[in-house]
Amino acid sequence: DGGITQSPKYLFRKEGQNVTLSCEQNLNHDAMYWYRQDPGQGLRLIYYSQIVNDFQKGDIAEGYSVSREKKESFPLTVTSAQKNPTAFYLCASSPRFGGYNSPLHFGNGTRLTVT
Amino acid sequence: GDSVTQMEGPVTLSEEAFLTINCTYTATGYPSPFWYVQYPGEGLQLLLKATKADDKGSNKGFEATYRKETTSFHLEKGSVQVSDSAVYFCALSASAGGTSYGKLTFGQGTILTVHP
Repeated sequence: DGGITQSPKYLFRKEGQNVTLSCEQNLNHDAMYWYRQDPGQGLRLIYYSQIVNDFQKGDIAEGYSVSREKKESFPLTVTSAQKNPTAFYLCASSPRFGGYNSPLHFGNGTRLTVT
Repeated sequence: GDSVTQMEGPVTLSEEAFLTINCTYTATGYPSPFWYVQYPGEGLQLLLKATKADDKGSNKGFEATYRKETTSFHLEKGSVQVSDSAVYFCALSASAGGTSYGKLTFGQGTILTVHP
């Protein structure tokens, strides 16, 4: 079955360390997204990519970095510059960028805890 | 920018009760509204969507009508089940003249708990 795989499900890191979250999709979707979810705040867009080798900042990109070297993969690095990195991170994809006929397909998320 | 306002939760209901979760929005261009559902420990799943004004989206007994005049997309279900317990998100994708602005704007989510 096609879908989005995020790994690991739980991740623990010490403050000051960079950490990379994996996101792989086999849906042949062009667009991929990273969202951050915090209690009571809904989802906030970190980065998105419309096509391979291209990506744009979302609303809260500071302290994060991404790459899009392959269509199937869109890894997110949480750097030590991110002031409050503990959160639930969701990766998503869509057939193309935005629009009513391009709903997002989500992975099951990675819960990152930084102490 | 665009914004989505959802009814604050948590919402607690007994099984077979009627459910309404309000969602209103402000947007430029031509918005397309969605409802997503998140079950415990999982990502979000598309529940239903609407593509034009007065469209009614429906799925799994849930319904929502896109009301352009009131900029609303309220979610309803006539008889909830324990299995409907989840977090529900209203979201909006705006576009104009065939060009999409791209990203979805999400509401803050409404936690629904249904008791037997």
